[in-house]
Amino acid sequence: EPEVTQTPSHQVTQMGQEVILRCVPISNHLYFYWYRQILGQKVEFLVSFYNNEISEKSEIFDDQFSVERPDGSNFTLKIRSTKLEDSAMYFCASNGRMNTEAFFGQGTRLTVV
Amino acid sequence: RKEVEQDPGPFNVPEGATVAFNCTYSNSASQSFFWYRQDCRKEPKLLMSVYSSGNEDGRFTAQLNRASQYISLLIRDSKLSDSATYLCVVNVYRTDKLIFGTGTRLQVFP
Repeated sequence: EPEVTQTPSHQVTQMGQEVILRCVPISNHLYFYWYRQILGQKVEFLVSFYNNEISEKSEIFDDQFSVERPDGSNFTLKIRSTKLEDSAMYFCASNGRMNTEAFFGQGTRLTVV
Repeated sequence: RKEVEQDPGPFNVPEGATVAFNCTYSNSASQSFFWYRQDCRKEPKLLMSVYSSGNEDGRFTAQLNRASQYISLLIRDSKLSDSATYLCVVNVYRTDKLIFGTGTRLQVFP
Protein backbone atom coordinates (compact mmCIF):
# COMPACT_ATOMS: atom_id res chain seq x y z
CA GLU A 1 0.00 0.00 0.00
CA PRO A 2 1.48 3.38 -0.96
CA GLU A 3 2.40 5.59 1.94
CA VAL A 4 3.85 8.97 2.81
CA THR A 5 7.34 8.68 4.25
CA GLN A 6 9.16 11.24 6.39
CA THR A 7 12.74 11.65 7.51
CA PRO A 8 14.17 11.93 10.06
CA SER A 9 11.83 10.41 12.61
CA HIS A 10 13.39 12.54 15.34
CA GLN A 11 15.47 15.71 15.06
CA VAL A 12 17.08 17.54 17.95
CA THR A 13 18.41 20.99 17.19
CA GLN A 14 19.69 24.01 19.03
CA MET A 15 17.64 27.17 19.14
CA GLY A 16 18.47 29.44 16.23
CA GLN A 17 19.59 26.62 13.94
CA GLU A 18 18.01 25.79 10.62
CA VAL A 19 16.27 22.47 10.12
CA ILE A 20 14.92 20.75 7.04
CA LEU A 21 12.25 18.13 7.38
CA ARG A 22 11.80 15.80 4.45
CA CYS A 23 8.83 14.00 3.01
CA VAL A 24 8.10 11.74 0.09
CA PRO A 25 4.37 11.99 -0.68
CA ILE A 26 2.38 9.23 -2.36
CA SER A 27 3.60 9.17 -5.93
CA ASN A 28 0.45 10.03 -7.89
CA HIS A 29 -0.79 12.65 -5.43
CA LEU A 30 -0.91 16.30 -6.39
CA TYR A 31 -1.61 18.14 -3.15
CA PHE A 32 0.92 18.25 -0.34
CA TYR A 33 0.65 19.54 3.19
CA TRP A 34 2.51 20.15 6.38
CA TYR A 35 0.76 19.97 9.72
CA ARG A 36 2.16 20.16 13.21
CA GLN A 37 1.05 18.87 16.60
CA ILE A 38 2.47 20.28 19.79
CA LEU A 39 2.47 17.65 22.52
CA GLY A 40 -0.98 17.32 24.06
CA GLN A 41 -2.60 19.66 21.55
CA LYS A 42 -4.55 19.28 18.34
CA VAL A 43 -3.18 18.84 14.85
CA GLU A 44 -2.76 22.26 13.18
CA PHE A 45 -2.51 23.11 9.51
CA LEU A 46 0.66 24.89 8.39
CA VAL A 47 0.71 24.99 4.61
CA SER A 48 -0.62 23.41 1.44
CA PHE A 49 1.25 23.11 -1.84
CA TYR A 50 -0.10 22.45 -5.30
CA ASN A 51 1.30 22.88 -8.78
CA ASN A 52 4.68 23.94 -7.43
CA GLU A 53 3.42 26.76 -5.29
CA ILE A 54 1.88 27.44 -1.92
CA SER A 55 -1.90 27.39 -2.23
CA GLU A 56 -2.73 28.23 1.37
CA LYS A 57 -0.89 28.89 4.62
CA SER A 58 -1.82 29.49 8.23
CA GLU A 59 -0.78 32.26 10.59
CA ILE A 60 1.76 29.88 12.09
CA PHE A 61 3.58 29.65 8.75
CA ASP A 62 5.53 32.90 9.02
CA ASP A 63 8.72 34.05 7.29
CA GLN A 64 10.77 31.52 9.24
CA PHE A 65 9.08 28.69 7.36
CA SER A 66 9.43 27.68 3.75
CA VAL A 67 8.50 24.69 1.63
CA GLU A 68 10.02 23.30 -1.50
CA ARG A 69 9.56 20.46 -3.92
CA PRO A 70 13.12 20.21 -5.19
CA ASP A 71 12.49 17.25 -7.47
CA GLY A 72 9.63 15.02 -8.57
CA SER A 73 9.41 13.11 -5.31
CA ASN A 74 10.57 15.09 -2.28
CA PHE A 75 8.68 17.78 -0.39
CA THR A 76 10.56 19.68 2.31
CA LEU A 77 9.76 22.01 5.17
CA LYS A 78 12.53 24.37 6.26
CA ILE A 79 12.55 26.30 9.50
CA ARG A 80 15.21 28.98 9.22
CA SER A 81 15.90 29.88 12.82
CA THR A 82 14.23 27.49 15.21
CA LYS A 83 12.62 28.62 18.44
CA LEU A 84 11.80 26.58 21.51
CA GLU A 85 8.11 26.80 20.65
CA ASP A 86 8.75 25.09 17.31
CA SER A 87 9.17 21.84 19.23
CA ALA A 88 6.38 19.60 17.95
CA MET A 89 5.53 16.64 15.79
CA TYR A 90 5.51 17.67 12.13
CA PHE A 91 3.35 15.64 9.79
CA CYS A 92 3.51 15.65 6.03
CA ALA A 93 0.36 14.66 4.15
CA SER A 94 -0.80 14.29 0.58
CA ASN A 95 -3.94 13.65 -1.40
CA GLY A 96 -4.90 13.17 -4.98
CA ARG A 97 -7.77 15.62 -5.13
CA MET A 98 -8.74 18.72 -3.22
CA ASN A 99 -11.30 18.31 -0.43
CA THR A 100 -10.68 14.59 -0.07
CA GLU A 101 -9.06 12.65 2.74
CA ALA A 102 -5.36 13.24 3.24
CA PHE A 103 -2.83 10.53 4.05
CA PHE A 104 -0.25 11.31 6.68
CA GLY A 105 3.36 10.32 7.12
CA GLN A 106 4.58 8.93 10.42
CA GLY A 107 5.87 12.35 11.45
CA THR A 108 9.12 13.99 12.48
CA ARG A 109 9.48 14.81 16.14
CA LEU A 110 11.37 18.10 16.32
CA THR A 111 12.92 19.03 19.64
CA VAL A 112 14.48 22.49 19.94
CA VAL A 113 16.83 22.91 22.89
CA ARG B 1 -16.41 29.20 19.27
CA LYS B 2 -13.96 26.48 18.26
CA GLU B 3 -13.99 25.48 14.59
CA VAL B 4 -14.33 21.81 15.45
CA GLU B 5 -15.38 20.80 18.91
CA GLN B 6 -15.18 17.40 20.56
CA ASP B 7 -15.57 16.05 24.05
CA PRO B 8 -11.98 15.13 25.01
CA GLY B 9 -13.09 12.19 27.16
CA PRO B 10 -11.66 9.84 28.15
CA PHE B 11 -14.36 7.33 27.48
CA ASN B 12 -13.59 4.17 29.42
CA VAL B 13 -15.68 1.24 28.18
CA PRO B 14 -15.53 -2.55 28.55
CA GLU B 15 -14.88 -4.82 25.60
CA GLY B 16 -18.04 -5.44 23.64
CA ALA B 17 -19.63 -2.13 24.55
CA THR B 18 -21.11 0.34 22.09
CA VAL B 19 -19.74 3.86 22.32
CA ALA B 20 -20.67 7.05 20.48
CA PHE B 21 -18.67 10.20 19.89
CA ASN B 22 -20.05 13.52 18.78
CA CYS B 23 -18.48 16.49 17.10
CA THR B 24 -19.77 19.93 16.13
CA TYR B 25 -18.32 22.31 13.57
CA SER B 26 -18.84 26.04 13.32
CA ASN B 27 -18.36 26.83 9.63
CA SER B 28 -21.50 26.16 7.59
CA ALA B 29 -19.35 26.14 4.45
CA SER B 30 -17.69 22.92 5.60
CA GLN B 31 -18.07 20.34 2.90
CA SER B 32 -15.99 17.27 3.64
CA PHE B 33 -15.96 15.39 6.90
CA PHE B 34 -13.78 12.62 8.25
CA TRP B 35 -12.99 10.59 11.29
CA TYR B 36 -9.34 9.86 11.85
CA ARG B 37 -7.80 7.68 14.51
CA GLN B 38 -4.57 8.60 16.27
CA ASP B 39 -2.58 6.29 18.47
CA CYS B 40 -0.25 7.79 21.05
CA ARG B 41 2.59 9.72 19.34
CA LYS B 42 1.63 8.37 15.93
CA GLU B 43 0.22 9.94 12.81
CA PRO B 44 -3.52 10.43 12.20
CA LYS B 45 -4.93 7.55 10.16
CA LEU B 46 -8.13 7.80 8.20
CA LEU B 47 -10.89 5.76 9.78
CA MET B 48 -13.69 6.80 7.47
CA SER B 49 -15.11 9.64 5.45
CA VAL B 50 -18.55 10.86 6.50
CA TYR B 51 -21.27 11.25 3.91
CA SER B 52 -24.59 13.06 4.13
CA SER B 53 -26.46 9.79 3.85
CA GLY B 54 -24.44 8.26 6.67
CA ASN B 55 -22.10 5.37 6.16
CA GLU B 56 -21.04 2.17 7.82
CA ASP B 57 -17.80 0.23 7.76
CA GLY B 58 -17.98 -2.95 9.78
CA ARG B 59 -18.42 -2.00 13.42
CA PHE B 60 -18.14 1.72 12.69
CA THR B 61 -21.02 3.99 11.68
CA ALA B 62 -20.70 7.68 10.89
CA GLN B 63 -23.52 10.19 10.59
CA LEU B 64 -23.64 13.78 9.41
CA ASN B 65 -26.31 16.33 10.25
CA ARG B 66 -25.65 19.43 8.18
CA ALA B 67 -28.55 21.40 9.62
CA SER B 68 -27.19 21.01 13.15
CA GLN B 69 -23.53 21.02 12.01
CA TYR B 70 -22.95 17.82 13.87
CA ILE B 71 -21.04 14.61 13.11
CA SER B 72 -21.13 11.36 15.03
CA LEU B 73 -19.19 8.12 15.19
CA LEU B 74 -20.62 4.93 16.64
CA ILE B 75 -18.40 1.99 17.49
CA ARG B 76 -20.13 -1.30 18.17
CA ASP B 77 -18.64 -4.33 19.91
CA SER B 78 -15.56 -2.42 21.11
CA LYS B 79 -12.22 -4.20 20.98
CA LEU B 80 -9.13 -3.56 23.05
CA SER B 81 -7.44 -2.46 19.83
CA ASP B 82 -9.98 0.36 19.41
CA SER B 83 -8.25 2.22 22.26
CA ALA B 84 -7.01 5.43 20.64
CA THR B 85 -7.89 9.09 20.15
CA TYR B 86 -10.61 9.72 17.56
CA LEU B 87 -10.23 12.94 15.62
CA CYS B 88 -13.13 14.74 13.98
CA VAL B 89 -11.82 16.48 10.88
CA VAL B 90 -13.51 18.98 8.58
CA ASN B 91 -12.61 20.58 5.28
CA VAL B 92 -14.12 23.93 4.31
CA TYR B 93 -15.30 24.62 0.79
CA ARG B 94 -12.66 26.16 -1.46
CA THR B 95 -9.84 25.66 1.02
CA ASP B 96 -7.14 23.04 1.04
CA LYS B 97 -6.73 22.57 4.72
CA LEU B 98 -8.17 20.04 7.12
CA ILE B 99 -9.36 21.41 10.45
CA PHE B 100 -8.95 19.03 13.35
CA GLY B 101 -10.81 18.72 16.58
CA THR B 102 -8.82 18.10 19.74
CA GLY B 103 -9.88 14.44 19.67
CA THR B 104 -11.82 12.13 21.94
CA ARG B 105 -9.83 9.54 23.82
CA LEU B 106 -11.25 6.03 24.03
CA GLN B 107 -9.93 3.39 26.41
CA VAL B 108 -11.39 -0.10 26.07
CA PHE B 109 -10.73 -2.37 29.04
CA PRO B 110 -11.01 -6.18 29.32
